[in-house]
Amino acid sequence: QKEVEQDPGPLSVPEGAIVSLNCTYSNSAFQYFMWYRQYSRKGPELLMYTYSSGNKEDGRFTAQVDKSSKYISLFIRDSQPSDSATYLCAMSVYNTDKLIFGTGTRLQVFP
Amino acid sequence: EAGVAQSPRYKIIEKRQSVAFWCNPISGHATLYWYQQILGQGPKLLIQFQNNGVVDDSQLPKDRFSAERLKGVDSTLKIQPAKLEDSAVYLCASSSRTGNTGELFFGEGSRLTVL
Repeated sequence: QKEVEQDPGPLSVPEGAIVSLNCTYSNSAFQYFMWYRQYSRKGPELLMYTYSSGNKEDGRFTAQVDKSSKYISLFIRDSQPSDSATYLCAMSVYNTDKLIFGTGTRLQVFP
Repeated sequence: EAGVAQSPRYKIIEKRQSVAFWCNPISGHATLYWYQQILGQGPKLLIQFQNNGVVDDSQLPKDRFSAERLKGVDSTLKIQPAKLEDSAVYLCASSSRTGNTGELFFGEGSRLTVL
């Protein structure tokens, strides 16, 4: 079993839709949870970062962590074609720098 | 602020040949990482440097991969000899802090194709 599981998609939605991206994990030692966005032929860039259960909002993006279920989500409201990218979840254990990434979910938002 | 610079962007080699990738991190960033991203997968950490010392190289295939960070700034990643399964994007990332921030800044990557 992989430490981090992520549905690879692709996910195709119309502009304006609400998008839900999800990851599950097996290692209960993970304390820090991140979402990275990766455009085609570019490096990943950090979108959201959280270390506690609950919701964290930043503009159209909401990150949700449920440690009891070992489940994290990223919600995108009012999705735009510019949101078309691969979204990677990433996690780390306390006091280490080692990020474990999911496989990424490819999102396509069409006008 | 200039981002993480990597070169070359693309490289095609035959198996058993050697290749080297170069990375220049963001100025002042003490921590540097090399990740391998195989098509359809998430990045996997190969090696982490803190200044010019190695923090974690547990997933680096040391029989063929080597990396160095002289003077605590630029870094090179070398593969010798290359195998078909080394075809991937090699991402360099840097961070100004250590420990659980997730604030890694990635370069655009060096795409390697091994024929």
